[in-house]
Amino acid sequence: EAQVTQNPRYLITVTGKKLTVTCSQNMNHEYMSWYRQDPGLGLRQIYYSMNVEVTDKGDVPEGYKVSRKEKRNFPLILESPSPNQTSLYFCASSRDRAPYEQYFGPGTRLTVT
Amino acid sequence: DAKTTQPNSMESNEEEPVHLPCNHSTISGTDYIHWYRQLPSQGPEYVIHGLTSNVNNRMASLAIAEDRKSSTLILHRATLRDAAVYYCIPFGTYKYIFGTGTRLKVLA
Repeated sequence: EAQVTQNPRYLITVTGKKLTVTCSQNMNHEYMSWYRQDPGLGLRQIYYSMNVEVTDKGDVPEGYKVSRKEKRNFPLILESPSPNQTSLYFCASSRDRAPYEQYFGPGTRLTVT
Repeated sequence: DAKTTQPNSMESNEEEPVHLPCNHSTISGTDYIHWYRQLPSQGPEYVIHGLTSNVNNRMASLAIAEDRKSSTLILHRATLRDAAVYYCIPFGTYKYIFGTGTRLKVLA
């Protein structure tokens, strides 16, 4: 089954403790992206990757890192999480840029205390 | 990046057509218009996209104004399962800007 998977689905952590949210797709997609979703603010793009070893900032990249060493994986790294990074995170992938549609993962709910 | 304006919310009766408008007056000539929706407690899902011509698929139709400054997503017969937030996104490069979308409520 074609899908985007994220792990973990739920995470509660403390301020400053480094964490990684994994994202993997099995569709051989070139493009992958991370979003965060907060009430009243909609979905905002954090980082995206056009291909292996090629990444770029979205609208809200501060406090996040990403890497794309393999085509299928695109982990999101929070080196020193803070409470304002408490959010719902979505990973997505698509065959390429426009016009191809994105496929979204199920989301990761992160709480930083 | 193109800005979009959508109504915050809309209501429809079940089995009636729904027209969801989107204004994207700053769209560039090469941007596609994508529509996604997000059902409660789920990630967004693709609905439809177009460039200049009207488009139909199994989920919906997309009507694009001749000047491309606006578009309308048409659900021909709304069902309770169509209750979701609908996002209109001009997209041409690699950055997606979702905005806050239109929350569609479907009344039984």
